[in-house]
Amino acid sequence: DAGVIQSPRHEVTEMGQEVTLRCKPISGHDYLFWYRQTMMRGLELLIYFNNNVPIDDSGMPEDRFSAKMPNASFSTLKIQPSEPRDSAVYFCASSPSAGGFVIQYFGAGTRLSVL
Amino acid sequence: AQSVTQPDIHITVSEGASLELRCNYSYGATPYLFWYVQSPGQGLQLLLKYFSGDTLVQGIKGFEAEFKRSQSSFNLRKPSVHWSDAAEYFCAVGGGPGTASKLTFGTGTRLQVTL
Repeated sequence: DAGVIQSPRHEVTEMGQEVTLRCKPISGHDYLFWYRQTMMRGLELLIYFNNNVPIDDSGMPEDRFSAKMPNASFSTLKIQPSEPRDSAVYFCASSPSAGGFVIQYFGAGTRLSVL
Repeated sequence: AQSVTQPDIHITVSEGASLELRCNYSYGATPYLFWYVQSPGQGLQLLLKYFSGDTLVQGIKGFEAEFKRSQSSFNLRKPSVHWSDAAEYFCAVGGGPGTASKLTFGTGTRLQVTL
């Protein structure tokens, strides 16, 4: 298996623009997680899905952030409008149903820079 | 609330020397504990996990960790460090499969290896 695939690997945008991050989980995994990593706050869980349904989005910082999972093999995290403080590395992770939270496989991340 | 403390932000060791990275956790029930490694520009890779049973667990790349309930600790060790071990290491705690407990990560320890 190719593992969790994220795109793009790097994104540079200007403040106010819309940004869309993409994730393809490992085939057969039922859980999908979006994390944000910053120097100040470390690794934070933003939202997670189970069987394509958002279960907990309490970590989403504000309404500018939204996430979707239209099918089992694709998820997006959208920021609209983007702000400089959104600059971070965003990770997607997936987990098989038997593992739940506990066995997560991470993608390589998307490094977002908002100018 | 669950939490993880990694008291050492940065550690430098010589190649061939032994290594111990500290991790203390707070969790209201039986914890599931993990160590992840993140190489520069990469996602997080699971090194090892503790669910139950033997308190000394072996992981990949020659790493091991010992769960000490009385000390709420889960320290990571390696007898002889290689230059390729230079990376950032994250300890995490969570509940088991079927629980609603998320993974909480520590702030990480950056390991530098001198030749």
